[in-house]
Amino acid sequence: DAGVIQSPRHEVTEMGQEVTLRCKPISGHDYLFWYRQTMMRGLELLIYFNNNVPIDDSGMPEDRFSAKMPNASFSTLKIQPSEPRDSAVYFCASLQGTGSTEAFFGQGTRLTVV
Amino acid sequence: DQQVKQNSPSLSVQEGRISILNCDYTNSMFDYFLWYKKYPAEGPTFLISISSIKDKNEDGRFTVFLNKSAKHLSLHIVPSQPGDSAVYFCAASLDSGGGADGLTFGKGTHLIIQP
Repeated sequence: DAGVIQSPRHEVTEMGQEVTLRCKPISGHDYLFWYRQTMMRGLELLIYFNNNVPIDDSGMPEDRFSAKMPNASFSTLKIQPSEPRDSAVYFCASLQGTGSTEAFFGQGTRLTVV
Repeated sequence: DQQVKQNSPSLSVQEGRISILNCDYTNSMFDYFLWYKKYPAEGPTFLISISSIKDKNEDGRFTVFLNKSAKHLSLHIVPSQPGDSAVYFCAASLDSGGGADGLTFGKGTHLIIQP
């Protein structure tokens, strides 16, 4: 397996534009997580899914953020409208299931909102 | 409020010596602890973990110690090698089986191994 795949690797957008980040988890993994990394707050959990169902979205900063997982092999994180303070590295991670000890992370998407 | 704290943003250690990275947590409900390693422009990769029912777990050059009463864990790397230079994240989970409910991360410690 190629691991967790995120796209794009880098995204530069203007304030107010819609941004969509994409993630393909490792095949067979039941859990998918979206994290955000900033200098101020470090790595924060935004939302996670179990079997494509959102379980906990309490980390989503505000209504401008939304995430979907239409099937087991694809998830999106959307920001609409984007703001400069959304600039961060966004990581997707997947985990096989309860009892697994490790989540595997993608390489991240570096988002810059100007 | 940070539930997982890594108070040293950076640490410099000479090659061959022991590196000790520290982590403190505040939530006594955490049941599983992990260390991740991160190189620039890459995602974090799993390094080692420990369940709350243990006080030590060893894997090659890496050993994690857990002191539940002090809410403290540490990662020991011995001997330290140049390839160990990276940012190390301490993470905690409420899930006793691992990170199925998501992980709470510290802000990381940048370990620099000097030749």
